[in-house]
Amino acid sequence: NAGVTQTPKFRILKIGQSMTLQCAQDMNHNYMYWYRQDPGMGLKLIYYSVGAGITDKGEVPNGYNVSRSTTEDFPLRLELAAPSQTSVYFCASSYSPVAGSGNTIYFGEGSWLTVV
Amino acid sequence: EDQVTQSPEALRLQEGESSSLNCSYTVSGLRGLFWYRQDPGKGPEFLFTLYSAGEEKEKERLKATLTKKESFLHITAPKPEDSATYLCAVAKGGGNKLTFGTGTQLKVEL
Repeated sequence: NAGVTQTPKFRILKIGQSMTLQCAQDMNHNYMYWYRQDPGMGLKLIYYSVGAGITDKGEVPNGYNVSRSTTEDFPLRLELAAPSQTSVYFCASSYSPVAGSGNTIYFGEGSWLTVV
Repeated sequence: EDQVTQSPEALRLQEGESSSLNCSYTVSGLRGLFWYRQDPGKGPEFLFTLYSAGEEKEKERLKATLTKKESFLHITAPKPEDSATYLCAVAKGGGNKLTFGTGTQLKVEL
């Protein structure tokens, strides 16, 4: 059972370049999320999706785009990379809204991105 | 504004030395408080969910409790393999999202 799979694990980008972080889950979860984690800071939500074709902004969406064409995949696009986007990115998924549901959010292993 | 504050930021224990980690929160309409464990270079791993004040959950050497303002993660007789960063998060309202604290970095030494 693979769970949530992220690629690549590590990437170095130059300022102004673009790239896509891939995320796939095999748990048939409806909800998917992208978080970023900076040193000394809590995980911050970038974008989330409640199902194929539906996405919404989180706390820190600027500089990113997402799409959700299938239940399994939720790629995160970085356009015109900036040093402020140097971070660790985590994709996550859940079966339903986690509030009061008995469910929780499951995380991938992370993607380390450095913008130089 | 919703806030989740974890303390201490870092904790060093000797093997077998029990202690507690704190997660205090200010959020309207709490719909769940979550504890995760994160090892270096890995994603957060789910430990517990608590929903109402007075609730307790246990797993091996870990026990999580919840009051109306805070949650504690009690670690009894810790071992070096318990070394990790422990994250607390809350869900509210419609509950699509979690708000995370900054974590407590625990190191257990022999």
